[in-house]
Formats: sequence, structure tokens, C-alpha cells
Amino acid sequence: EVQLVESGGGLVQPGRSLKLSCAASGFTFSNYYMAWVRQAPKKGLEWVATISTSGSRTYYPDSVKGRFTISRDNAKSSLYLQMNSLKSEDTATYYCARHGLRRPLDYWGQGVMVTVSS
Amino acid sequence: DIVLTQSPALAVSLEQRATISCKTSQNVDNYGISYMHWYQQKPGQQPKLLIYEGSNLASGIPARFSGSGSGTDFTLTIDPVEADDIATYYCQQSKDYPYTFGAGTKLELK
Repeated sequence: EVQLVESGGGLVQPGRSLKLSCAASGFTFSNYYMAWVRQAPKKGLEWVATISTSGSRTYYPDSVKGRFTISRDNAKSSLYLQMNSLKSEDTATYYCARHGLRRPLDYWGQGVMVTVSS
Repeated sequence: DIVLTQSPALAVSLEQRATISCKTSQNVDNYGISYMHWYQQKPGQQPKLLIYEGSNLASGIPARFSGSGSGTDFTLTIDPVEADDIATYYCQQSKDYPYTFGAGTKLELK
């Protein structure tokens, strides 16, 4: 059974940093692209980052480019999101999700809440 | 960026057909594949993949869900609607980065 379990969320002050983790199991992690998708309270879904199977390629929307860094450790079947210079508008539930090249996000974690507030 | 446009809400009666549309600002087809996917999200839950590449039913999804369309116009159909289908539905394109989602259509009971 595919499982994705996020951790590392919490309350953080504006301008500070936070690192999210996603532990994957039930599939060959190194064969899949992985992504982070967020959802602000009562809002829609926003794709935040994608990383290729080897980690050599990463993709971000302009809203987080230069502040967020996605990475992975295939030996540990783990995905990470380093978030720097956090803003109040980064407040959201962050989901880790699996996908293939140009493929849909076929499995999602339960999500982890990040609140950016002073 | 490719913009996806959905109607905010749709009211439907149980056992009737629901048709949810998604229009894109650019063609999301390439080499005969539509890079358009549909997700269902219930309150407090993570999104669930329903339809991928325009019309393919994801694993474990009931056959009352179907997808159609190509190019810039796509449709998710639920027929017949059951009480468990009350949720918000999102379309998403994976043709180009940045991947983008529609704002979601909230399916409500009439």
C-alpha cells in the first residue's frame, strides 16, 4: 500500500525558516517524481514544487521560487521542502504527492499544517 | 502560465447527472494525450485522483465518474450522483510547468 506521511509543520514567525519532510513507503520511491502541493485555509490547491527521480531537476512556481527548495533522499525514501523567508501567505496545509513525468498526482499524503504568524 | 477556469459551484439532485467543466487558457494536448486530470476533495481530506489524461478512470474509482474533452475544453461527468459524491472537484494540467489547478467546483445538493 502506498503511503506518504508528512511531518515538520507548525507555527513559525514571518521571515523564518521551516523544513517539511515526507516519508514514503509501499512503492519504489526512486522511480517517481515527487511534488509538494499546498492549500491555504478555505482556498484551492496550489502546486509548489516538483523534483525528478534522481533529484537533478526541480521546478517551482514564481510564488516560491528562490525561497523554497525541494530535495529528496532516495536511500531513505524521503522527500523534503525547505522553506525560507516565510510569509503570511505561505500559511497552508502542505501535501506531498507522487507523480510521473507529466503524469497526474496519483497518491497524496494527509497533509501537514504550516502557520506563518507573529 | 496555463490558467484553468471552473465554475465555483453546481447544485444537483441525487441520482441525476452532474457536469463540471474546465476551460484552459492554452491547449493542454500533446501528441494525442490530454494532460488534464480531475481530483475530488472532501472536507478535511486530501485530494483523490479520479480521472487522468482527460478520460482515463483512476484505479478504484466508480464507473459513474467519466471525463471527456480535448484541447482547451474538458468535462467531468458524474452519473448518477450519489450522496458520497458531495465534494469539491479540481481540474489540473500537467502539460507545462508551472502545473496549475482550477479554483475548484463545489458540488452541492439541490
